[in-house]
Amino acid sequence: EVQLVESGGGLVKPGGSLRLSCAASGFAFDDISMNWVRQAPGKGLEWVSSISRSSDYIFYADSVKGRFTISRDNAKNSLFLQMGSLSAEDTAVYYCASNEGYYMNIWGKGTTVTVSS
Amino acid sequence: QSVLTQPPSVSGAPGQRVTISCSGSSSNIGADYDVHWYQHLPGAGPRVLIFRNSYRPSGVPDRFSGSKSGTSAFLAISGLQAEDEAEYYCQSFDTSLRWVFGGGTRLTVL
Repeated sequence: EVQLVESGGGLVKPGGSLRLSCAASGFAFDDISMNWVRQAPGKGLEWVSSISRSSDYIFYADSVKGRFTISRDNAKNSLFLQMGSLSAEDTAVYYCASNEGYYMNIWGKGTTVTVSS
Repeated sequence: QSVLTQPPSVSGAPGQRVTISCSGSSSNIGADYDVHWYQHLPGAGPRVLIFRNSYRPSGVPDRFSGSKSGTSAFLAISGLQAEDEAEYYCQSFDTSLRWVFGGGTRLTVL
């Protein structure tokens, strides 16, 4: 079964850090570029970051540039998002999603990140 | 504020047809980047409904259709069903090298 499963979300204090993971199965992970997308409470979807299949090309939204780092381990079929200097504005459900051209064809169910003191 | 503009909400009775618009600019939709549409139900990950402006993945009913013209795109849903009640998002790519989404449209089936 084609599947993406996110983990690592939780409650973190402002200024803190958190590392999200996404486990892929059922498809050739190392052939696919990947994304992180988030949805803050009551808001729409916001693209966060993308990484090419060999990690050669990495892109970030302006809102997270310099604070978040995307990475992947193709040997372990895993995608990661290291998040730092977190603020309340980073509170959201974080989804990993695979790229097919410029659209996202496989999505996980998300992991919730809450930034609060 | 989202880069792509969608109406916050649309509604229709069962069996009717509704259309959701997605307005962009010369740096995304107007730059000839494709538009894609997603359906998002609470508690689930988004699901692609339409890719590359007008193509449906297998398993998506032909009640869903997409089109693009100039700097805008449209999602049409015909023969509305109660199960279509969801949030719908358009998405494209921008010349600033970022993936961009619309703000989402809440569809209510009356």
